[in-house]
Amino acid sequence: DIQMTQSPSSMSASLGDTVTINCLASQDIGNYLSWYQQKPGKSPKLMIYGATNLEDGVPSRFSGSRSGSDYSLTINSLGYDDEGIYHCHQYYEYPPTFGAGTKLELK
Amino acid sequence: QVKLLQSGAALVKPGASVKMSCKASGYTFTDYWVSWVKQSHGKSLEWIGEIYPNSGATNFNEKFKGKATLTVDKSTSTAYMELSRLTSEDSAIYYCTRIYYSGPFDYWGQGVMVTVSS
Repeated sequence: DIQMTQSPSSMSASLGDTVTINCLASQDIGNYLSWYQQKPGKSPKLMIYGATNLEDGVPSRFSGSRSGSDYSLTINSLGYDDEGIYHCHQYYEYPPTFGAGTKLELK
Repeated sequence: QVKLLQSGAALVKPGASVKMSCKASGYTFTDYWVSWVKQSHGKSLEWIGEIYPNSGATNFNEKFKGKATLTVDKSTSTAYMELSRLTSEDSAIYYCTRIYYSGPFDYWGQGVMVTVSS
């Protein structure tokens, strides 16, 4: 199975900050990567697909990028509504696999 | 609008089975694969398997073969997952999701909390 190594596992940032969450794939997955936001007690919500494409309705403060097998989710102008757990997900190969998640809290 | 409405929480005894449902609305049910995802300990996600409602074709994570059974009822646009021989390791939240054509999970149900306890 493809391993997705996600970092950091948790982070704390301030209002207005820019934060970056990373996922490293254990093998080539092309652009078959998505990012989800999960708020407490809720289901995950698709934010980014195809490594860099913003899902409809997602604020442009969110962006995805790729450098080789390293994938990043960047959130600009952090707000309280951005708190939650962020998951990366590869769908290049069966079985689809997820990173371990990053818990983002605001100070 | 697309919605996936899942059945309610379940408390089941070790060794028993549980069957949960996922009723789709707002789109053509038979056009998209439905996946099931397990969330343990409130954080990590694990793919269980998927089913194509039009044909009933399935794919599974090797880890869940023999544990999960996926079915659909096209007449009610409902997908089902049955988990058998439950142990404490099966206590988790289970989500159904719609798979967008190339693979991301674009819509999720609200989740079913399964607790395995005697």
